[in-house]
Amino acid sequence: QKEVEQDPGPLSVPEGAIVSLNCTYSNSAFQYFMWYRQYSRKGPELLMYTYSSGNKEDGRFTAQVDKSSKYISLFIRDSQPSDSATYLCAMSAAPSGSARQLTFGSGTQLTVLP
Amino acid sequence: GAVVSQHPSRVICKSGTSVKIECRSLDFQATTMFWYRQFPKKSLMLMATSNEGSKATYEQGVEKDKFLINHASLTLSTLTVTSAHPEDSSFYICSASEAGTPRDEQFFGPGTRLTVL
Repeated sequence: QKEVEQDPGPLSVPEGAIVSLNCTYSNSAFQYFMWYRQYSRKGPELLMYTYSSGNKEDGRFTAQVDKSSKYISLFIRDSQPSDSATYLCAMSAAPSGSARQLTFGSGTQLTVLP
Repeated sequence: GAVVSQHPSRVICKSGTSVKIECRSLDFQATTMFWYRQFPKKSLMLMATSNEGSKATYEQGVEKDKFLINHASLTLSTLTVTSAHPEDSSFYICSASEAGTPRDEQFFGPGTRLTVL
């Protein structure tokens, strides 16, 4: 079993739709949860960063973490064609050194149709 | 936000040659840099963690003699793929972690696409 499971999609939605992306994980030591967006042939860029359980909202994006269920979500409201990209969840445990290693999901490919 | 650059952005080489990829943090000091590889439609797989001034720590299954990592300064790390073969063709991405921040956030470079003929 992978440490982090993410539905690879592809997911195709019409413009304006609400998009829900999810990841599950098995390592209860994970405390830091991130969502990255990666456009084709580019490096990932950080979208959302949350610590422990709860919700975080930033514009059209909302990240949710449910540690009891080992389940995290990213919601995109009023989706736009420019949101078309691969979305990667990532997580890490409490740091023991100067920087945390990230464990990534496999990524979900999203296409928002105009 | 912090900027990380990679050079070259893409490289094509013949089998058996060595290729060097540079990763630079442009506006911050990175005590730690990470090297990943990514196959098409797959996630990022961590290859090694590099701390400035010390030897890199390689993930299980990654050959340290084949993928040489040097982190000689707080702004530069290099990955050298030695005696490259077609199976080494991949998208290589580095990330850098800014020293002194509570989040230890990783900032990613734009990636280098390596094609070995």
